Amino acid sequence: DTAVSQTPKYLVTQMGNDKSIKCEQNLGHDTMYWYKQDSKKFLKIMFSYNNKELIINETVPNRFSPKSPDKAHLNLHINSLELGDSAVYFCASSQVLEPRSAYGYTFGSGTRLTVV
Amino acid sequence: AQKITQTQPGMFVQEKEAVTLDCTYDTSDQSYGLFWYKQPSSGEMIFLIYQGSYDEQNATEGRYSLNFQKARKSANLVISASQLGDSAMYFCAMSNNQFYFGTGTSLTVIP
Repeated sequence: DTAVSQTPKYLVTQMGNDKSIKCEQNLGHDTMYWYKQDSKKFLKIMFSYNNKELIINETVPNRFSPKSPDKAHLNLHINSLELGDSAVYFCASSQVLEPRSAYGYTFGSGTRLTVV
Repeated sequence: AQKITQTQPGMFVQEKEAVTLDCTYDTSDQSYGLFWYKQPSSGEMIFLIYQGSYDEQNATEGRYSLNFQKARKSANLVISASQLGDSAMYFCAMSNNQFYFGTGTSLTVIP
């Protein structure tokens, strides 16, 4: 069974469109995250959710909105897509808010978003 | 300020040889965790190894070991007996009140 699953794996869309990426974890973890990995492979945190509460929002444009219907899901909705949004987006989950344990993070397989 | 520094953008190693990937970190916290992740060309992020700041012994997981030098704030990853499948990006990460990733090291194993 996949621990953290993201859909879709690939997403190609035109500028100006609105799209969503779904994420689900079956690990019973308390916290979920979204990361953006740019073309230089740099990973930057976008959001984290703990028990449906937004914990971190790292200066992400408000075109990006995380939506968490329950503890096991954290979807990423993006409005008015721009060329610069092209990247790989990773969902992750951890057992505790501060993962100072061997559990660390469990990552999804990533969604490669291409805006044309 | 950079929390995690990986100074080797690219590394090459001969198959069956050992290789060390460097990682230094910056924190004033006493309690933190250090991680290494592998990202192959297929893109997924794979957890390799963890070291807690209070762990006195270096962590080991199969062919992976973490050379933890707390005073130097370094957490180097050692891969022994490299295999072709080890070719990938490797990320060092630290958790204290947030989770920080380094910029990664691209490892290529040469047959």
